[in-house]
Amino acid sequence: DTGVSQDPRHKITKRGQNVTFRCDPISEHNRLYWYRQTLGQGPEFLTYFQNEAQLEKSRLLSDRFSAERPKGSFSTLEIQRTEQGDSAMYLCASSFSGANSPLHFGNGTRLTVT
Amino acid sequence: DAKTTQPTSMDCAEGRAANLPCNHSTISGNEYVYWYRQIHSQGPQYIIHGLKNNETNEMASLIITEDRKSSTLILPHATLRDTAVYYCIVSEAGGTSYGKLTFGQGTILTVHP
Repeated sequence: DTGVSQDPRHKITKRGQNVTFRCDPISEHNRLYWYRQTLGQGPEFLTYFQNEAQLEKSRLLSDRFSAERPKGSFSTLEIQRTEQGDSAMYLCASSFSGANSPLHFGNGTRLTVT
Repeated sequence: DAKTTQPTSMDCAEGRAANLPCNHSTISGNEYVYWYRQIHSQGPQYIIHGLKNNETNEMASLIITEDRKSSTLILPHATLRDTAVYYCIVSEAGGTSYGKLTFGQGTILTVHP
């Protein structure tokens, strides 16, 4: 169990650019979640996958955001035309789909939009 | 999911027990109490969860009141490495809503030497 891995750890981009983050979940886990965390706040749910199917998206996930999980393994989160308000920590988590399976979080990608 | 209320911050001396309270007065019958913590610059870490019985694992104990309206997370012998933000979350155990955790602002626990 190598844990949930996220890449990159930090990303600085200029407003209007597109960025893509990657998450590698724990290999046996079939659920994968994306959360966003701004400074001083708790994480907020964005979306989740069960295997390759994206089952739910939060209202926080605007049309500029898209997430994929091809083949039910790693996932990517893309933000198009970044805005300064997108600056945040983007956290990925994974779990089994069974009841009460705890979420295992990665250490996040910190995005700064200048 | 039911809302939780936690103190903004708490202090604890190293080696002593840290008792972190959480109020969840609107918890429903099928909702569990989960505790996660977040150490600076890391992702949240699962600690423990429970429905109505007290629970203990290698990290902590969880005491849930009989009416389930509040709970206490106990770190029996706090160390400096336990300094973190502690989140109390109420959520269903399964189904489509599981994993969509609602984090509040948590309790900042500072363990002093």
